[in-house]
This record gives sequence, C-alpha cells and structure tokens, in this order.
Amino acid sequence: GAGVSQSPRYKVAKRGQDVALRCDPISGHVSLFWYQQALGQGPEFLTYFQNEAQLDKSGLPSDRFFAERPEGSVSTLKIQRTQQEDSAVYLCASSVYQGGNQPQHFGDGTRLSIL
Amino acid sequence: AQSVTQPDIHITVSEGASLELRCNYSYGATPYLFWYVQSPGQGLQLLLKYFSGDTLVQGIKGFEAEFKRSQSSFNLRKPSVHWSDAAEYFCAVGAPSGNTGKLIFGQGTTLQVKP
Repeated sequence: GAGVSQSPRYKVAKRGQDVALRCDPISGHVSLFWYQQALGQGPEFLTYFQNEAQLDKSGLPSDRFFAERPEGSVSTLKIQRTQQEDSAVYLCASSVYQGGNQPQHFGDGTRLSIL
Repeated sequence: AQSVTQPDIHITVSEGASLELRCNYSYGATPYLFWYVQSPGQGLQLLLKYFSGDTLVQGIKGFEAEFKRSQSSFNLRKPSVHWSDAAEYFCAVGAPSGNTGKLIFGQGTTLQVKP
C-alpha cells in the first residue's frame, strides 16, 4: 500500500506570505503527527491529531501556525505571515492507533524556504 | 523534562568495520525507545524499537540495540557496516501509557562510510 505522502516536496515563499503544506497519511491510520526539522537537527514535535481531533498542539511555535484534519484523513499545516526562521523541513507521520508504542510512518517531508 | 542526547554528531567508519552509535535519554520512567534512519531528502525509516522485555533488540538491515537502564542508554550497533548504511541516524523516546505517541528526537548522528 501507499505510504505517507506529502506535498509539495519543495516550497519557496517570500517573507510575509502564507503557505499550506499537505499530508496524506496511510489509509486508516488514526494518529497523525507534524514535526519540524531544522537544518542539522532532529525533528521537533508540532502537533498531533487523533482522527479529526487535534489533541495536542503544544509544539506549535506561534499562533501563525495552524493545522487541521477536518475529515480525519488528509491534514494541512498552514503558516501565516512566514518568517525566515520558519525555513525547515516539515515532516508528517501517521500511526495505526494512538499510543507511544505505535511505530510512526513518516513521509518524505516538505522543504520550506523563506526568502 | 524528557530529552535525548546523541553525543556523536558525525562518525566515519570503514566499510566492513563495526559500528556503535550512542544514545542517552532523560526520563522519569522507562520510555519507549526508537532508532530511525534518514537518507538525504527522505523521511525517517524505523530501524528498531524497545518497549519492554529482552534488553537486546534486533531490527532491520542487520542493526541491533541494547537498552541499559542503569546508564539510561540505548546504543545502536551493527557488526559490519555497508556503504549503503551512510545516512543520518536518530534516537527517539516516546512516553509510555496515556500518551499521544509524540516522539522526542536526539540531534542525530551522521554516518559516513569509507570504502
């Protein structure tokens, strides 16, 4: 079956523009995660969905970041009024169920560059 | 606070030599432990995981890891490295029971393999 799919793979935006990043998780996966990976760093947690419910958004760096998963499948991460420090790879992951013992399946990420 | 430390930012080994990548974690109890590998431009692939039981766990691609509670460590090993193992390796922890499953990653170790 298909893995986690993210689009676009690369996104270049000017500072101040809004961007939207898409994640298609593995079909039937309940849990969906967004991570931010700065250059040379490990991924950092942004937010978590269980089906359509956003249960944890403690990692979102500011109110410019917004995520949704309205039908419990596809998710969109939106960044408003982008700033240079938003430049990073944004990774999406999904797992079958909720819980720390569930392996997460990662997409290839969206590389965001803010000019 | 939970944290993961990978002391070695960059490691170079010769093809056919053995490998050990270090990982230390800080957590109040025994967390779930993972090793992921990331090739350039790609997402993270799960190598192995530890939840409980036997402290030596086997993973894919000939990797193994040993959990040592007394040292709060979860080091990754491979007896004989192949050129295709060159990649970025991440250790991660997840909180057990009642947690959403979000992972906390180390900074990563870049593995270079010499012919």
